Amino acid sequence: QSVLTQPPSASGTPGQRVTISCSGSSSNIGSNTVNWYQQLPGTAPKLLIYSNNQRPSGVPDRFSGSKSGTSASLAISGLQSEDEADYYCAAWDDSLNGVLFGGGTKLTVL
Amino acid sequence: QVQLVESGGGVVQPGRSLRLSCAASGFTFSNYGIHWVRQAPGKGLEWVAVISSDGDNKWYADSVKGRFTISRDNSKNTLYLQMNNLRAEDTAVYYCAKDWNNFDYWGQGTLVTVSS
Repeated sequence: QSVLTQPPSASGTPGQRVTISCSGSSSNIGSNTVNWYQQLPGTAPKLLIYSNNQRPSGVPDRFSGSKSGTSASLAISGLQSEDEADYYCAAWDDSLNGVLFGGGTKLTVL
Repeated sequence: QVQLVESGGGVVQPGRSLRLSCAASGFTFSNYGIHWVRQAPGKGLEWVAVISSDGDNKWYADSVKGRFTISRDNSKNTLYLQMNNLRAEDTAVYYCAKDWNNFDYWGQGTLVTVSS
């Protein structure tokens, strides 16, 4: 059972804006930065957002991240069919001395 | 370009051992901490272990502590994961991922199946 809690699923129609939440605690999100990863079917995960809200080179600005207290969110605007994937949040946990991943959110583009 | 290539996976019986490798290229390997992350079939990502750039510091998930050992050879640009006393629940695709903070590059993964 993941200590970072994500909704198991999310959906939207093309062009819509969707958000995916990630809830943690003071020992992880509350005191460390959050990263987000996108995993397309059958492929390795890819870094989408780092340090709460930074996009790596090549990631479209349709993707944005935010953090407040012990929660974080990933927003995808102008939803496209190729955004259909699993999305994971992650953060270091000071109590466990390790990295926690959220359980993942499967995004469906209707 | 950055490349991480895992190898060493396969089918192994419960209680046996296996060593995974991750060959790195396209960056200065000795400057970066590297992680192992696994994904059981149809499940989410699970962090396994991390090693610092110089190999002096290592951290493990509770689920593998005492059974798995992460190591690296900076002269060979290679990361290892020695897995002992394997259990059925260790069955997963194992990925190596670069950079202590960000996991900015991932390999394609190697499948480990623990079954009698």
